[in-house]
Amino acid sequence: DAKTTQPNSMESNEEEPVHLPCNHSTISGTDYIHWYRQLPSQGPEYVIHGLTSNVNNRMASLAIAEDRKSSTLILHRATLRDAAVYYCILRDGNNAGNMLTFGGGTRLMVKP
Amino acid sequence: DTEVTQTPKHLVMGMTNKKSLKCEQHMGHRAMYWYKQKAKKPPELMFVYSYEKLSINESVPSRFSPECPNSSLLNLHLHALQPEDSALYLCASSPRTGANQPQHFGDGTRLSIL
Repeated sequence: DAKTTQPNSMESNEEEPVHLPCNHSTISGTDYIHWYRQLPSQGPEYVIHGLTSNVNNRMASLAIAEDRKSSTLILHRATLRDAAVYYCILRDGNNAGNMLTFGGGTRLMVKP
Repeated sequence: DTEVTQTPKHLVMGMTNKKSLKCEQHMGHRAMYWYKQKAKKPPELMFVYSYEKLSINESVPSRFSPECPNSSLLNLHLHALQPEDSALYLCASSPRTGANQPQHFGDGTRLSIL
């Protein structure tokens, strides 16, 4: 399975944009890039996913590098509620048995 | 508020007890999942159900027994658990099992084994 590498932790100021990086240099052409986050004392929450093109939704934007070896989750305006562990996960679209495998993630701290 | 409901939120049981965790979703999803999460660790997949049939068992010990009685319900039956089984047990669902399908998680049952 292709692996992802994320920084252990990042800090941001409230109301500023946050760019969370993820490296996946061994990504295959059929791997979807998923992002989930987990707030304290809650289950993981789906944020966004994409394959090749950049994606936007109400929660965030996903910017995928042209060679797909890295991606960035963008929170446009961080709030205190965005403090969570953010997981970048690859899922192989050609493998029916390939499921969500969570790595260590990035712990985002938001300062008021 | 989550659309996947798990009960109970907390459970304390002895090693000889039998108990069940319950998970319910009414989004019409046909894939349901159990995960285990130890403190300060990421979630780990235990079981996958697709169209009410067990499709993946990640080598989970037989003291954990899943059941999917219908498309909205998922149970995890527990018997003769060990102290190291204390963890947060998370249920999730998705429309199908495909790689482009987002999963919706409940907030989990926090299990403590005495």
